[in-house]
This record gives sequence, structure tokens and C-alpha cells, in this order.
Amino acid sequence: GENVEQHPSTLSVQEGDSAVIKCTYSDSASNYFPWYKQELGKGPQLIIDIRSNVGEKKDQRIAVTLNKTAKHFSLHITETQPEDSAVYFCAAGFYKLSFGAGTTVTVRA
Amino acid sequence: NAGVTQTPKFQVLKTGQSMTLQCAQDMNHEYMSWYRQDPGMGLRLIHYSVGAGITDQGEVPNGYNVSRSTTEDFPLRLLSAAPSQTSVYFCASSYGLADNEQFFGPGTRLTVL
Repeated sequence: GENVEQHPSTLSVQEGDSAVIKCTYSDSASNYFPWYKQELGKGPQLIIDIRSNVGEKKDQRIAVTLNKTAKHFSLHITETQPEDSAVYFCAAGFYKLSFGAGTTVTVRA
Repeated sequence: NAGVTQTPKFQVLKTGQSMTLQCAQDMNHEYMSWYRQDPGMGLRLIHYSVGAGITDQGEVPNGYNVSRSTTEDFPLRLLSAAPSQTSVYFCASSYGLADNEQFFGPGTRLTVL
């Protein structure tokens, strides 16, 4: 089955700086790569996703890149704000998703 | 729309007891799934369904049963609870297959003593 590894497990950044989270996956059949944000006590919420026929996607301060050859994809958050503090999960798959272990992001004011 | 709803929000069981976690969605989504979330392990897929009457196993199905008699409901049954099933359980749904935005419920926190 699919195996998704996510790094780092924790990330502390100064407000206004950028944050980068990286994931690798094992199954070359995976063609869908979403990123979810989870706030304390809530269910995860999709923030951005990318499909295998696209190398990069951007939505305001958030961007995702995908390298299918190397089987890795990354989340980039620019100009971080306190409300970006949360746990972020990457995932990979098609008819079912496998999730990474999560990254706890703390934005310091 | 209420989205994805889960009940109960919290539950404490004794080892060997059985119970059903309820999940319902009002978005007419074909795909529904159950995950468990444990510290440091992310979300692990328990069971999923691509439509009414169709279910399949995920990564960690042992000790759990599911059924999908309607599009809206996807209950998760714990047959004989064990302490290893202490976790937070999330139900999710999406249009089509898993390669579309999955909408998660608020979760059920289960403790097995």
C-alpha cells in the first residue's frame, strides 16, 4: 500500500517568515495529493490540493509543488500569520488516501 | 447544510463492550470513510465506501465493522472494544472518489478502559 512520510514533525517560525513542509510517497499510482489543516478540537480541513498532471499550484499565500519522478511534494506558506498555527497533514492516493503523520506549525508573534 | 455530523462527541467504554459510532452527511456524497487519529501517527483509514451497499477495508480494519445501507449514513461498529481502540475517530465524505475534497466531521473521542 501507499506509505507517506512527512517532515518536519514540528516547525516554529517567526510571523512573516515562510514555512515549508515536505512529504514523500511510495506508490507511483497515486495521482492526488491534498493538504489538510487541523485546528485544535476540530476535524481536518482541505487547504490546497494538486493532481499528478500539475507541477505547482498556488492559492494566495499557500503553494504546493509536486515532483512525480522523485515522489515528493511540498507545502509552502509565505508571510505566515498567527492564524496559520495548526497541525498540517499531507496525503496521497486515488480511491483511498494515506496521510502523513502531521506537522505542528507554531507562528511566533 | 449540516455537512458531516458524528455522534457521540465523547464516549467511554469498558473492554469487551460494543458500540456504534454514527456518521451522517447531507451533501449527497458517494464516498464516505472512517479514520482514526492517534498521536504521532496521522490519520489512518479504517474502512471506506464508494456508494450505498459497497464497503471496503482500509489500512487498519481489524475490530471494526461498517455498512452502507443509504447514501447518507455510514456507521462504524466496534465489536468488542479493546484499549488499543482508544483514539479520536473521524468520518469524512466526498463527491466521487477519494480524489476530491474530503469533508470531515468534528470527531468522536473514544476511551476504552
